[in-house]
Amino acid sequence: GAGVSQSPSNKVTEKGKDVELRCDPISGHTALYWYRQRLGQGLEFLIYFQGNSAPDKSGLPSDRFSAERTGESVSTLTIQRTQQEDSAVYLCASSLYPGQFDQPQHFGDGTRLSIL
Amino acid sequence: KNQVEQSPQSLIILEGKNCTLQCNYTVSPFSNLRWYKQDTGRGPVSLTIMTFSENTKSNGRYTATLDADTKQSSLHITASQLSDSASYICVVTPFYNTDKLIFGTGTRLQVFP
Repeated sequence: GAGVSQSPSNKVTEKGKDVELRCDPISGHTALYWYRQRLGQGLEFLIYFQGNSAPDKSGLPSDRFSAERTGESVSTLTIQRTQQEDSAVYLCASSLYPGQFDQPQHFGDGTRLSIL
Repeated sequence: KNQVEQSPQSLIILEGKNCTLQCNYTVSPFSNLRWYKQDTGRGPVSLTIMTFSENTKSNGRYTATLDADTKQSSLHITASQLSDSASYICVVTPFYNTDKLIFGTGTRLQVFP
């Protein structure tokens, strides 16, 4: 498809387990973003990639969170030793170029993560 | 205190009616202000983008206004349709960090027949 694709769409796991979330951005988009959306709250910036590099990792909540991007395409967000407060929808977005005022970020439909 | 605050938190209107959603922000200076629509279980979709020098931007039945002096924006929806039921999110881009968007918590709109 032509949009941003995320997988899995839903993930239920036990506390303490590791999870890996995947994002396939729109082809040709150089910028890729990860956000977290807790129930009833606004989107919270986690990390952004310019190509395969992450200039800004300031939003990652703890060292249990990490992300990588390869081939200026697919990105994975990994959460180690999950905690119940990690339960949220994790959204990925991409844009053609970073910082362009007239370029909207195109969002995927997110991965709904539930930690039991 | 959130840097982007929206009101009302939720709104119910009848099909065919107009409504206006509000956004107040403290982000300064800012590069642009965006409105997104987020259907339940879906990712946000961009409706409008306005730079700090623009006062209004329309997209079909959606019209956004911006007053940079008072740091307020509004989204007006005309002749509402059932498909307008969604959350509407105001997003401000800081001037010095244009990749780190700041999101409001949204207004949940429900349109009933």
